[in-house]
Amino acid sequence: QKEVEQDPGPLSVPEGAIVSLNCTYSNSAFQYFMWYRQYSRKGPELLMYTYSSGNKEDGRFTAQVDKSSKYISLFIRDSQPSDSATYLCAMSFLFSGGYNKLIFGAGTRLAVHP
Amino acid sequence: DTGVSQNPRHKITKRGQNVTFRCDPISEHNRLYWYRQTLGQGPEFLTYFQNEAQLEKSRLLSDRFSAERPKGSFSTLEIQRTEQGDSAMYLCASSLVSSDTQYFGPGTRLTVL
Repeated sequence: QKEVEQDPGPLSVPEGAIVSLNCTYSNSAFQYFMWYRQYSRKGPELLMYTYSSGNKEDGRFTAQVDKSSKYISLFIRDSQPSDSATYLCAMSFLFSGGYNKLIFGAGTRLAVHP
Repeated sequence: DTGVSQNPRHKITKRGQNVTFRCDPISEHNRLYWYRQTLGQGPEFLTYFQNEAQLEKSRLLSDRFSAERPKGSFSTLEIQRTEQGDSAMYLCASSLVSSDTQYFGPGTRLTVL
């Protein structure tokens, strides 16, 4: 079993829809939770970052963390064709040296059609 | 452009050849990470540098792989005697010691024929 599970999709939605992307994890020691967006043949771009249970909002994006269920979500409101990309969840815990290596999900491919 | 840069962006090589990739982190970022991403998968951690010291290496990093970060600035990742299974996107990320946020470069896509 992978430490981080993410449905690879693809997910296809009409423009303006609310998108829900999810990841589950098995290691309760994870403390930091991130969502990255990756366009085809590009590097991942950080969208959201949180380290506590609850919701965090940034524009059209809301990240939700439920540590008790080991479940995180990313919601995209009023989705746009430019949101079409692969969305990667990532998690980490703090190592004794103070650094954190990221453990990624497989990524969910999202297509928003006009 | 003040982001993480990687060169080359694409590399095609024949099996058995050696290849070297370069990563230039964001200026003043002490921490530098290498990840590998294969098609349809998320990036997987390979190795980590804090300044010039390599502090962790993944089991994914076989003896054919070596990474350096001389003087704590740019980093190189070398793969010797490449195999077809090495075909992947090699990503570099950097961060400040005071931050948990990693910024990724555009990656180097390696194809081994």
